Amino acid sequence: DTAVSQTPKYLVTQMGNDKSIKCEQNLGHDTMYWYKQDSKKFLKIMFSYNNKELIINETVPNRFSPKSPDKAHLNLHINSLELGDSAVYFCASSQDPGRLIYGYTFGSGTRLTVV
Amino acid sequence: DQQVKQNSPSLSVQEGRISILNCDYTNSMFDYFLWYKKYPAEGPTFLISISSIKDKNEDGRFTVFLNKSAKHLSLHIVPSQPGDSAVYFCAARGSNYKLTFGKGTLLTVNP
Repeated sequence: DTAVSQTPKYLVTQMGNDKSIKCEQNLGHDTMYWYKQDSKKFLKIMFSYNNKELIINETVPNRFSPKSPDKAHLNLHINSLELGDSAVYFCASSQDPGRLIYGYTFGSGTRLTVV
Repeated sequence: DQQVKQNSPSLSVQEGRISILNCDYTNSMFDYFLWYKKYPAEGPTFLISISSIKDKNEDGRFTVFLNKSAKHLSLHIVPSQPGDSAVYFCAARGSNYKLTFGKGTLLTVNP
């Protein structure tokens, strides 16, 4: 059973399109995250939700909008895609952001390519 | 502004020997440090963590050492195995529980 699953795994789309990436966790965790790994390989946090409430919102263009319908799901919608949005996007979850003994559990990533 | 730095992009060791992966940080407010391992086309997998009030944490073949005065931590893998070949990320927790990651070090363990 996959603990944190993301769909799709690969996404190729044209500039200007709108796309969504879905994430679901079956671990019963309270907190979910979106990270972006850019071409320089840095993993940078974008958003974090705790029990459906937004707790971290980094400096991300407002074309990116997270949606958490329940604590097991955190989707990422991106409007008007740009070439610079090409990256690997990782979803993650944790039981409690304050207790990091077990770290985060990451999904396998979504490779987004904007052409 | 890289608050977490892994200055070695790659490291190659022989099977059975020790692998030492290094990480430096600049923010003295970080209170928790973690190591993740990542295989190609997979998400990072949590390996081991250490609180800033400790200087060592051990879990099987993996030991993390923290030197707060030097703002330096290291991950030791003994003995190294070919299956350990992966990218290793150092991460640190700061305000609002946000994790900041380093750029990663590619470890290759040769049989």
